[in-house]
Amino acid sequence: QKEVEQNSGPLSVPEGAIASLNCTYSDRVSQSFFWYRQYSGKSPELIMSIYSNGDKEDGRFTAQLNKASQYVSLLIRDSQPSDSATYLCAVRSVAGSYQLTFGKGTKLSVIP
Amino acid sequence: DTGVSQNPRHKITKRGQNVTFRCDPISEHNRLYWYRQTLGQGPEFLTYFQNEAQLEKSRLLSDRFSAERPKGSFSTLEIQRTEQGDSAMYLCASSPTPETQYFGPGTRLLVL
Repeated sequence: QKEVEQNSGPLSVPEGAIASLNCTYSDRVSQSFFWYRQYSGKSPELIMSIYSNGDKEDGRFTAQLNKASQYVSLLIRDSQPSDSATYLCAVRSVAGSYQLTFGKGTKLSVIP
Repeated sequence: DTGVSQNPRHKITKRGQNVTFRCDPISEHNRLYWYRQTLGQGPEFLTYFQNEAQLEKSRLLSDRFSAERPKGSFSTLEIQRTEQGDSAMYLCASSPTPETQYFGPGTRLLVL
């Protein structure tokens, strides 16, 4: 059973702070890792993908991957109230399988 | 609008009725996916098409569910003899590669 675990939150941070979102996965052969943002009542929106160990930066977002620890994280710098949403971690496990396995998501609230 | 579109956006039905949802992917995307999402959970994979071929289907998917993509363009998802447990958001996603999946707005189903 492939599992993706996230702290459901809510995670509250003040405006301008760094928000840190964490995700662990159970399947060691996982290859591709994604972060989606989902506003209430809306569908998931892809914000970051990462495939190799280390950091990947895109604007205010940084994804971090550590395959040895089976851990992936998302940092949001200079958090804004508009970043308030649920952040979903998704993993694609094996070559030839195209499904994504999602965590339950972490709800982030950025307090003005 | 060049994104993934889904119709209808909302569906209310009585238990035991059949329902059908439609997904129109982004035009150049040959990969299409269906997911289901319930409140407080991440999306759960249902099935995957590459062009018109259904290549993956969740083992958790009841035989009351069937999906088609007859010409490799739009797809339909049918649920027969609906049950209250089928109430969920049904999400369609498409992608040009196996890696990045872009979601449509979803169809919210309520079974009374």
